[in-house]
Amino acid sequence: KAGVTQTPRYLIKTRGQQVTLSCSPISGHRSVSWYQQTPGQGLQFLFEYFSETQRNKGNFPGRFSGRQFSNSRSEMNVSTLELGDSALYLCASSLAGGPNEKLFFGSGTQLSVL
Amino acid sequence: DQQVKQNSPSLSVQEGRISILNCDYTNSMFDYFLWYKKYPAEGPTFLISISSIKDKNEDGRFTVFLNKSAKHLSLHIVPSQPGDSAVYFCAASGAGSYQLTFGKGTKLSVIP
Repeated sequence: KAGVTQTPRYLIKTRGQQVTLSCSPISGHRSVSWYQQTPGQGLQFLFEYFSETQRNKGNFPGRFSGRQFSNSRSEMNVSTLELGDSALYLCASSLAGGPNEKLFFGSGTQLSVL
Repeated sequence: DQQVKQNSPSLSVQEGRISILNCDYTNSMFDYFLWYKKYPAEGPTFLISISSIKDKNEDGRFTVFLNKSAKHLSLHIVPSQPGDSAVYFCAASGAGSYQLTFGKGTKLSVIP
């Protein structure tokens, strides 16, 4: 069974631009979560989707948004990029995203904002 | 306010000895705890978990202990191997939660 796939692996953008990251979950998984990891920080929760609905959102500005498609694939978008948005963005999937479910992570997209 | 804390940013252990990684939490609603291991340029991989109804869970060389009264959990790796060198994240979730709350991680170095 293929794992969680994130594209692209690396991305370089300049301040003010926008970016879209893509995530394909494990087949059969309907919940997709996004996390941001910056140096010295843990993984910060961005949002979680299930059946195309956002069920939970972390404490990030509105410049960060996401969506999920009917095939469970998900995208996240960051508009008006800032230097502080440079981070590893991780996507994770699980069967239903419920309590006591473990998450399976992709390798992440490393975003650098110049 | 950090709800999950890993107070040791790094830990060095000799090969063959025990590694003990610690984690504290403040939110009494957390009832499920997980440990993830992360290598550079890779996503975290699940290692072991424990429900709040238990105080110990074991899987091979890895054992997680939970002390609910102290809001503390620990991961024991015995014996430690060089391949265990990685960053270890503690995570927690609460009833009805759709997210995991992570600590900042502890970098474990196992010295041959």
